[in-house]
Amino acid sequence: AQTVTQSQPEMSVQEAETVTLSCTYDTSENNYYLFWYKQPPSRQMILVIRQEAYKQQNATENRFSVNFQKAAKSFSLKISDSQLGDTAMYFCAFMKLTSYGGSQGNLIFGKGTKLSVKP
Amino acid sequence: DAGVTQSPTHLIKTRGQHVTLRCSPISGHKSVSWYQQVLGQGPQFIFQYYEKEERGRGNFPDRFSARQFPNYSSELNVNALLLGDSALYLCASSLLDFNWGTEAFFGQGTRLTVV
Repeated sequence: AQTVTQSQPEMSVQEAETVTLSCTYDTSENNYYLFWYKQPPSRQMILVIRQEAYKQQNATENRFSVNFQKAAKSFSLKISDSQLGDTAMYFCAFMKLTSYGGSQGNLIFGKGTKLSVKP
Repeated sequence: DAGVTQSPTHLIKTRGQHVTLRCSPISGHKSVSWYQQVLGQGPQFIFQYYEKEERGRGNFPDRFSARQFPNYSSELNVNALLLGDSALYLCASSLLDFNWGTEAFFGQGTRLTVV
């Protein structure tokens, strides 16, 4: 069974600075997707960034980038130029792909990291 | 365009009662999944439906059931409620079958409290 571990329950960062959130996962699979989701106090889960395991290049989305280390099973999220609106719970998630390229259809989430951006 | 909508936003039920939660996917989306998020934890997968058929089920008791209607909206039903069923229930929709790793769009959830 796959597991996702986020070892930092809470983190804080000053506005405009950079912060990195950690995520490790355990799987025997070779084909999968990894995701970072943001959940603000409004409760709605919002996709931040996605990484396909077969791609060596790390995904980037504006101020958000990942450091994907497949051999180490590590998937960290870096937020640059932090903004007050980045304050939220951040969840790392895993989705397995089947041999024909499909997934099992469900996301496996970590317990989350609460990020506070301070002015 | 409207996002994923869930109703009700909050509700309180008594132990042993039954509850029905509703989800309307984004227009054109054919796949719906349900997740349970207990306070302080990440969401846990309950069900996935695609084109009105169950495509996946998480490790939840038979008290939990769901269905998807011809208009792709979905209901999650929970019977014989327990205190431990208190949680935020999230619905997610996707344009295609989740089996192709397409982006999941989440609703704002239904906060269920069992007393």
